[in-house]
Amino acid sequence: SAVISQKPSRDICQRGTSLTIQCQVDSQVTMMFWYRQQPGQSLTLIATANQGSEATYESGFVIDKFPISRPNLTFSTLTVSNMSPEDSSIYLCSVASGRATEAFFGQGTRLTVV
Amino acid sequence: AQSVTQPDIHITVSEGASLELRCNYSYGATPYLFWYVQSPGQGLQLLLKYFSGDTLVQGIKGFEAEFKRSQSSFNLRKPSVHWSDAAEYFCAVGESGSGGSYIPTFGRGTSLIVHP
Repeated sequence: SAVISQKPSRDICQRGTSLTIQCQVDSQVTMMFWYRQQPGQSLTLIATANQGSEATYESGFVIDKFPISRPNLTFSTLTVSNMSPEDSSIYLCSVASGRATEAFFGQGTRLTVV
Repeated sequence: AQSVTQPDIHITVSEGASLELRCNYSYGATPYLFWYVQSPGQGLQLLLKYFSGDTLVQGIKGFEAEFKRSQSSFNLRKPSVHWSDAAEYFCAVGESGSGGSYIPTFGRGTSLIVHP
């Protein structure tokens, strides 16, 4: 199984600022995803991070708000831009590799916007 | 598009009692099905998965789940619950996404409370 390191583990940020979350995997993976888990809710897919090209965003999420980078097969970043209290959530990095394989998750970043 | 329904928001059981968490899915083809557990303040850990073959799958921590195509269900079971099993449980269904991998869709989760 892949080992995923996500940084920071938590942060408290002022509204209007931006936070970049890093996801590092200990092995090359085909797919990397970013999820949001709002308080008491399930996981919602934000986007699929594509190596060397623009991320694929789900309905309701846009690049200007959640820019994503993936420079190689083991690393990705998610930025939460111009934050508001509604962005307070847990953000989770997930990876999968190959057909019919399970997804692995990082420990998540608990973001509080004040 | 696929969807997952976990009808129980909370389940309360006594330690040592048996457990069944319900999961129903909607998907046109044969799904990939998963159960994950999330302990407080933690990420998600995979308990078990179903891709094909034997419809009764065994997972970690003594959990098992049975795929029933006729009922579109993938219920999670454990014969004897331990206090450490208290957590949030998520059922997920996968599809074939671009590049041959999958993108799981998650149910809303079931919170398991274990009484001593």
